[in-house]
Amino acid sequence: AQSVAQPEDQVNVAEGNPLTVKCTYSVSGNPYLFWYVQYPNRGLQFLLKYITGDNLVKGSYGFEAEFNKSQTSFHLKKPSALVSDSALYFCAVGRRSDKLIFGTGTRLQVFP
Amino acid sequence: DGGITQSPKYLFRKEGQNVTLSCEQNLNHDAMYWYRQDPGQGLRLIYYSQIVNDFQKGDIAEGYSVSREKKESFPLTVTSAQKNPTAFYLCAVNDGDNNYGYTFGSGTRLTVV
Repeated sequence: AQSVAQPEDQVNVAEGNPLTVKCTYSVSGNPYLFWYVQYPNRGLQFLLKYITGDNLVKGSYGFEAEFNKSQTSFHLKKPSALVSDSALYFCAVGRRSDKLIFGTGTRLQVFP
Repeated sequence: DGGITQSPKYLFRKEGQNVTLSCEQNLNHDAMYWYRQDPGQGLRLIYYSQIVNDFQKGDIAEGYSVSREKKESFPLTVTSAQKNPTAFYLCAVNDGDNNYGYTFGSGTRLTVV
């Protein structure tokens, strides 16, 4: 069975510092991995994905994520956080034609 | 949220009433999904449909019903049997192969009054 875990309910970081939001997964076969962001009272917005290719994936708004097969992780990172990055972040995993499984979400709070 | 429209944005329901939430897409995608999100919580799958005239229950289908008569439309009815319907409801679509993941609508906030 597929599963995904976001071990931190909230991540706090000062503006200008690097940020990491953690995600680990379990899936048989080749994983399709995604990160989404949600602002208050809005739908989820796509940030980036890993399907194949380079392990370091770059996405929207300066975010990137590293696929680590041995650690079954797909952590979201950004070199320098902005206050406007404060939002709820979701990791999702699936296989090619399966429905995605979403993590429980991590609230990112960036302090000025 | 381009290509997928949820309406209304806000909806109020009296006790014992059924209400229907609309989800329309022009992306020509086969798969459509309904999720429920409670405050500060993650997503819970209610129903999904991978093709017209077919749909499957998700993790929390009790008290909800859906139809999929057209490819473009996947309405969700919250029935009076759903005892705690106050939540944020999200519709999503997918091309069936996860090449682009899901595209989400902007959501409907349902409140029981």
